[in-house]
Amino acid sequence: GENVEQHPSTLSVQEGDSAVIKCTYSDSASNYFPWYKQELGKRPQLIIDIRSNVGEKKDQRIAVTLNKTAKHFSLHITETQPEDSAVYFCAGTGGFKTIFGAGTRLFVKA
Amino acid sequence: KAGVTQTPRYLIKTRGQQVTLSCSPISGHRSVSWYQQTPGQGLQFLFEYFSETQRNKGNFPGRFSGRQFSNSRSEMNVSTLELGDSALYLCASSLGPGTESYEQYFGPGTRLTVT
Repeated sequence: GENVEQHPSTLSVQEGDSAVIKCTYSDSASNYFPWYKQELGKRPQLIIDIRSNVGEKKDQRIAVTLNKTAKHFSLHITETQPEDSAVYFCAGTGGFKTIFGAGTRLFVKA
Repeated sequence: KAGVTQTPRYLIKTRGQQVTLSCSPISGHRSVSWYQQTPGQGLQFLFEYFSETQRNKGNFPGRFSGRQFSNSRSEMNVSTLELGDSALYLCASSLGPGTESYEQYFGPGTRLTVT
């Protein structure tokens, strides 16, 4: 069945460093790839997304890249700050169904 | 604009009972999806509704069902509750087809505990 694999499961970086989270999807029907940030006890919040006809998108310190051929997409956070600490989920949407990756717990050390 | 709301926020039930959870989407949003979130399994897709029709469903047993009303509000029902159904149930709304918008916005969730 459809699957989204996400790596790493845990990521620890120093404040100011960059963080990269990678995902791979299996469903060729997926055409929309959102990223969500979930802080402890809160709901997932959409932080950036990309459609299958776009290779890269950037919003301030956050960027997402998509390689449709390889079915890979990645989240890049630059100049990380302690408030970036959270769990990040990638997802793939297609056919009225969204499959989430298992999540990456990001720790940003001050 | 008010966000996605879910009721109740917390629920404690006993094995074998049934439960109904409610989700009110953002005004103007016509698509509602439901997810189960657990520490071990992450966010699992349950089903998606648009225009009172279930358009897709995840790999959950038939004990999990849902529906959507004409005002886009949605409910999900779990019958014959099992201990493993304890989880945070999240709904998310989006504008729906014909809008070129796929963004989903989550509600705060209903924390279900089965004892």
